Amino acid sequence: GAVVSQHPSRVICKSGTSVKIECRSLDFQATTMFWYRQFPKQSLMLMATSNEGSKATYEQGVEKDKFLINHASLTLSTLTVTSAHPEDSSFYICSASRETNEKLFFGSGTQLSVL
Amino acid sequence: AQSVTQLDSHVSVSEGTPVLLRCNYSSSYSPSLFWYVQHPNKGLQLLLKYTSAATLVKGINGFEAEFKKSETSFHLTKPSAHMSDAAEYFCVVRGGGADGLTFGKGTHLIIQP
Repeated sequence: GAVVSQHPSRVICKSGTSVKIECRSLDFQATTMFWYRQFPKQSLMLMATSNEGSKATYEQGVEKDKFLINHASLTLSTLTVTSAHPEDSSFYICSASRETNEKLFFGSGTQLSVL
Repeated sequence: AQSVTQLDSHVSVSEGTPVLLRCNYSSSYSPSLFWYVQHPNKGLQLLLKYTSAATLVKGINGFEAEFKKSETSFHLTKPSAHMSDAAEYFCVVRGGGADGLTFGKGTHLIIQP
């Protein structure tokens, strides 16, 4: 089956620094990738949808200047949390699909802790 | 460590008949469990979640799931399928500690008229 690799799985950083999270589709080309965020014991919140070669579409309330998403190739999307603060500490997970309407495949997630 | 297994990649039922989507999990901690649905052209939608309260959880659109610790299962059910239920369903587990989310591979639900 299709594999989505997300890296790193866990990151601890100081307040004010930037953190980049990578999401790779290993054995298929992902036209669309999604980035989600989850707070403890809450459901996933869709942050943004990225399509290869175009700007990401952000959900309402998500700061696009803070959460930079780049989908430069059909196998790689990155989420950069800029000037991270403790309130950005959360679990971030990506998903990818071959085509827009097709089944999603999920990365293993990244636990971000900002000190 | 944690894992989740959705036992069926595809389930096909007739409209008006019951739906059963199976999910088994393993977790080193008392887990939180979720069912999400993905409709075409849309992102994930949360159907229901279990977070150590009542073991029978009721969700949206008539779905419910029962947490059975002895069987390590969290099967999703609905008494009567509707055509609009056709979608991809994901079972998700989150253990305690530093574990993140683990998604099942999904079950594609097909509703026959």
